[in-house]
Amino acid sequence: EVHLVESGGGLEQPGGSLRLSCAATGFTFSNYNMNWVRQAPGKGLEWVSYITSDSGAIYYADSVKGRFTISRDNAKNSLYLQINSLRADDTAVYFCARAVAGSYRSYYYYYMDVWGKGTTVTVSS
Amino acid sequence: SSELTQDPAVSVALGQTVRITCQGDSLRNYYASWYQQKSGQAPVLVIYGKNDRPSGIPDRFSGSSSGNTASLTITGAQAEDEADYYCSSRDISDDWVFGGGTKLTVL
Repeated sequence: EVHLVESGGGLEQPGGSLRLSCAATGFTFSNYNMNWVRQAPGKGLEWVSYITSDSGAIYYADSVKGRFTISRDNAKNSLYLQINSLRADDTAVYFCARAVAGSYRSYYYYYMDVWGKGTTVTVSS
Repeated sequence: SSELTQDPAVSVALGQTVRITCQGDSLRNYYASWYQQKSGQAPVLVIYGKNDRPSGIPDRFSGSSSGNTASLTITGAQAEDEADYYCSSRDISDDWVFGGGTKLTVL
């Protein structure tokens, strides 16, 4: 069965750092692009970062550029998110999600078909 | 990056049909995907592509698209469909974007 399991969340002070991990099982991790998505308490989903299967292309939301770094280790079937200079508004549940692409005639489509349960990051002094 | 706009809340009577919409410029080039999120749980993909459902998603869920608007339709809404629904797509800068979410209440 396909699973994603996040870890590494916790309580951290403003200005601190955390490294989130996402362990993939049940599929060939190296064949898939991946996303990090977060959700602040009581708020909607916010896309954070995307990495292609070979780490050849990486994208970040404007809100996290320069502070977050996405990476992956295909040999370990793992995805990572390094979060530096933590701010209170980084407080959220962080989900990893498998990214898939397709096309139909002249339209492309992209979706996230497998999600982990999330790991909670709380930034507070 | 571009934006996707959803109505914050929609309600439907049990067994009736409801449409949840999502508007944005990126939808002129990309099909939206739709996610259901129940309280305290991870999102679940319900519609992707032109109108495809992952295995296990009931066929009362369907998707459509016209111009800059994507729609998720639930035909014969059930009590268990009460949830938050989010649309998503990529944009021309290759970022991903989510709509603000629609809270569906089944009366």
